[in-house]
Amino acid sequence: EAQVTQNPRYLITVTGKKLTVTCSQNMNHEYMSWYRQDPGLGLRQIYYSMNVEVTDKGDVPEGYKVSRKEKRNFPLILESPSPNQTSLYFCASHRSGYNSPLHFGNGTRLTVT
Amino acid sequence: QQQVKQSPQSLIVQKGGISIINCAYENTAFDYFPWYQQFPGKGPALLIAIRPDVSEKKEGRFTISFNKSAKQFSLHIMDSQPGDSATYFCAASSGAGSYQLTFGKGTKLSVIP
Repeated sequence: EAQVTQNPRYLITVTGKKLTVTCSQNMNHEYMSWYRQDPGLGLRQIYYSMNVEVTDKGDVPEGYKVSRKEKRNFPLILESPSPNQTSLYFCASHRSGYNSPLHFGNGTRLTVT
Repeated sequence: QQQVKQSPQSLIVQKGGISIINCAYENTAFDYFPWYQQFPGKGPALLIAIRPDVSEKKEGRFTISFNKSAKQFSLHIMDSQPGDSATYFCAASSGAGSYQLTFGKGTKLSVIP
């Protein structure tokens, strides 16, 4: 089954404790990206990657890091999480081509206390 | 500056009624306009999309209307059903650049029996 898999689904952590949210896709898509979803703010892009070792900032990259060492994986790293990073995070992938549909994972709900 | 403005933020429609969600954009370089549907606990999924060379696209009960001169597009859901209750996001992208979608803030639709 074609899918984007995120882990964990739920995560509660404390301020300053480094964490990683994993994302993996099995569709051989070139593009992968991370979004955060907040009430009233919709989906905002954090980072995206056009291929292995090629990443770029989205609209809200502050406080986040990413890496793309393999085509299928695109982890999101919060080196020093803060409460304002409490949010619902989605990973997505798609083929090259601007009208290719995004395939989203089921989300990771992060709470930073 | 928000590039895609979506309204309303929430919408309650009776079963069998018509749901209408509107979006307006500013960037005249946008040339691909998808709508994504998100059920609780799931990631968004592509519902329907339109290119600006047509004024309307219909897929079953879902129709996109597009007004290029007004820089507006809308989603109409005919004969709305409780199963349509979800959050809907409009989006836009251009063929130039990095294939990134700009999302509206979302509309939470509730269809009541």
